[in-house]
Formats: sequence, C-alpha cells, structure tokens
Amino acid sequence: SQKIEQNSEALNIQEGKTATLTCNYTNYSPAYLQWYRQDPGRGPVFLLLIRENEKEKRKERLKVTFDTTLKQSLFHITASQPADSATYLCAPAYSGAGSYQLTFGKGTKLSVIP
Amino acid sequence: NAGVMQNPRHLVRRRGQEARLRCSPMKGHSHVYWYRQLPEEGLKFMVYLQKENIIDESGMPKERFSAEFPKEGPSILRIQQVVRGDSAAYFCASSPTGTGDYGYTFGSGTRLTVV
Repeated sequence: SQKIEQNSEALNIQEGKTATLTCNYTNYSPAYLQWYRQDPGRGPVFLLLIRENEKEKRKERLKVTFDTTLKQSLFHITASQPADSATYLCAPAYSGAGSYQLTFGKGTKLSVIP
Repeated sequence: NAGVMQNPRHLVRRRGQEARLRCSPMKGHSHVYWYRQLPEEGLKFMVYLQKENIIDESGMPKERFSAEFPKEGPSILRIQQVVRGDSAAYFCASSPTGTGDYGYTFGSGTRLTVV
C-alpha cells in the first residue's frame, strides 16, 4: 500500500539555521507533491507545489526538491525564525483523474529556538 | 475574501446524537473536499463534492456519514448516531478546479468531541 514517511516527528533547530524536512514515499509514482504548514488548532496552509519534472522550487526562504528516483522530497527553510515553528505536511499526488485525493504524511513538528 | 469558512469551530455531542458540520468554500471555488484528522494521525480524505454532486466518497464510512453541497448554501457533512471514535478534527478545503495541482485552501476545521 502507499506509504508516506516524514522524518522524525519533531525537529528542533536554532534560529538562523537552515531547517531540512524529509518526505519519503513508497508504492507511489506521484506527478507532483505539495507542502503545507499547519499551526495548532488551525487548518493546513498551502506553501509550495513541485512537479515531477521540476528538480527544485523556491519561494522566498523556502526551497523544495523532488527526487523521483529516491522517491523523496526535501523541504528547506533558510534563516529560520521562531515564527516558522509549526507542523509541516507533505502530500504527494497523481495528476489527472483522482488527483484531488491528496494523501498526507503525519507531518514534522518544527521548533525554531531563539 | 474570507477564505474557507467552517462552523462550528467546536462541537460537543453525546453518543447517539447527530453532528452537522458546515463549510462555505472560497468565493469562486466550486470544488469542496472534506478531510478528517484523528489525534496523532495524518489528514485522511473523506469526500469530494461539486455543486449538487458527490464526485468521490470513497474515503467516507459507508454508514452514518453523508455529505452534500446544495446549489445554494454551504456544504454539509452529517454524522448520524455519533460514537466516541468519531471524535476528530474535520477540515474542509476548496479549489477552483477539480484537480489538486494548484494547492487547496483549507478552513480552520471543526473539532468534534463525542462524550
């Protein structure tokens, strides 16, 4: 069955450092992968989408990579700030029919320590 | 633009009662999705609706759960005869298209507690 694993349930990092979150998937050939941020008591907020033919995508301090050979996506936050503390979710998906049905990982809880 | 609105934010029901969760999508979005998040679990797809149509309900339990998205008004997720295992956060998301390749806008969720 399809499986999504996000590295360590919790990740603590010093302010100013780069946070790297990992999303591995098995039994899956997604056409694209989405990353979301979720704060306690709130709904997920869409951050970035990367397609299978894109190796890397950037948005301000965020960078996402997608390696279809390793079946892995890496999510980087550079110059991390305490306000970046949240749970980050990855969601690989197919394209075309059925692509609406995202499968989410359990998330990685990031804490940025001042 | 108020985004995706869900209400109520918190809902407490006794076992056996009915729970009704409401979701108004973003303006201009006609595609609505419901997800459930159990404690310590990832978000799980339940159902996908367009106006007046259920497109995919494969993630929704066959019994006690139903969803609708009428021509007028919000989408409703209805849980009849609730049990303790239904306690979870229920999130609604909307999108302008029926494919997921533009990202979804989620509401803040309804936290259902069954006592």
